[in-house]
Amino acid sequence: DGGITQSPKYLFRKEGQNVTLSCEQNLNHDAMYWYRQDPGQGLRLIYYSQIVNDFQKGDIAEGYSVSREKKESFPLTVTSAQKNPTAFYLCASSISQSPDYGYTFGSGTRLTVV
Amino acid sequence: GNSVTQMEGPVTLSEEAFLTINCTYTATGYPSLFWYVQYPGEGLQLLLKATKADDKGSNKGFEATYRKETTSFHLEKGSVQVSDSAVYFCALRPNAGKSTFGDGTTLTVKP
Repeated sequence: DGGITQSPKYLFRKEGQNVTLSCEQNLNHDAMYWYRQDPGQGLRLIYYSQIVNDFQKGDIAEGYSVSREKKESFPLTVTSAQKNPTAFYLCASSISQSPDYGYTFGSGTRLTVV
Repeated sequence: GNSVTQMEGPVTLSEEAFLTINCTYTATGYPSLFWYVQYPGEGLQLLLKATKADDKGSNKGFEATYRKETTSFHLEKGSVQVSDSAVYFCALRPNAGKSTFGDGTTLTVKP
């Protein structure tokens, strides 16, 4: 079955470390997105990419970086510059920029700073 | 800019009660509208959508009608079940743009 795979499901980071969250899709979707979700809150957009080798900052990009070298993959790196990284991270994809299509989400990665 | 406002939760209902979760939006042009559902510890799943005014989206007993005159897309279900307990997100997607999500409404259904 097609879908989005996020790994790992749980991730622990020490202070000052960079960590990378994986997001892979086999849906042949052009657009991919990273969101952060804090407890009891909505989604905040970190980065998005509409085509390979291109990406744009979202609302809260500081302290994060991404790459889009392959259509299927959109990894997110949480750098040591992100002061409060503990959150639930969601990756999503969409078949195109057409408004008729919704997003497909992965099952998320829960990142905790220890 | 675009925005989505959902009724504040949490919402607690007894099994078989009628559900309404209000959603209003602000957008230029004519966006498509969506409802997503998130179960504990999981990602969001698309529940239903409507792509133009007066369209009704429906799925799993849930319905929502795209009301352009009131810029609303309220989610309804005639008889909720315990398994409907989740967080519900309203969202809009404009032409050639990315989605804007509401803050989510938590629904708890008690047996």
